[in-house]
Amino acid sequence: EVQLVESGGVLVQPGGSLRLSCAASGFTLSSYWMHWVRQAPGKGLVWVSRINSGGSSTDYADSVRGRFTISRDNAKNTLNLQMNSLRAEDTAVYYCSRGGGYSISSLDYWGQGTLVTVSS
Amino acid sequence: EIVMTQSPATLSVSPGERATLSCRASQSVNSNLAWYQQKPGQAPRLLIYGASTRATGIPARFSGSGSGTEFTLTISSLQSEDFAVYYCQQYNNWYTFGQGTKLEIK
Repeated sequence: EVQLVESGGVLVQPGGSLRLSCAASGFTLSSYWMHWVRQAPGKGLVWVSRINSGGSSTDYADSVRGRFTISRDNAKNTLNLQMNSLRAEDTAVYYCSRGGGYSISSLDYWGQGTLVTVSS
Repeated sequence: EIVMTQSPATLSVSPGERATLSCRASQSVNSNLAWYQQKPGQAPRLLIYGASTRATGIPARFSGSGSGTEFTLTISSLQSEDFAVYYCQQYNNWYTFGQGTKLEIK
């Protein structure tokens, strides 16, 4: 059974940093692109970042580029999102999700999400 | 950026009836269109990908159609568990989601 379990979401002050993790199981992580998608309270879904299967290629939404860094450790079956210079508008539930074996694909499995709150 | 527009924002339908949800892209996304279902407090669930292919385990009452800029999700006979928010997403040129359609019980 495919499982994605996020962790690391907490209350953080504006300007602070946070590292989210996503533990993957039930499939071969190294075969898939992986993504982070966020959802502000009461709002819709917004794509944040993606990383290719080997970790050599990363992409970001304009709103987070230069502040967030996505990474993965296929040996440890883990996806990460380092979040720096956090702003109030980064407050959201962050989901990790599985893409396909190539860049153009839907997101077929999602974790339960982890809540990041940026507030003083 | 490709803008995805869903209509209506809210759809009220009785159980057992048919629901039709629409999604329009600001430019062609070919058939690189997915539909997701989200219930309160839960993660999104993939229903349809490639505009018309049901994801694993999705009941046959869910069907998708369209290509280019106009897409439709049809639920043929609504069950109680189908009342939720539905999002379309294009993955042809980066990734953008529609604002969602809330399907509520009439």
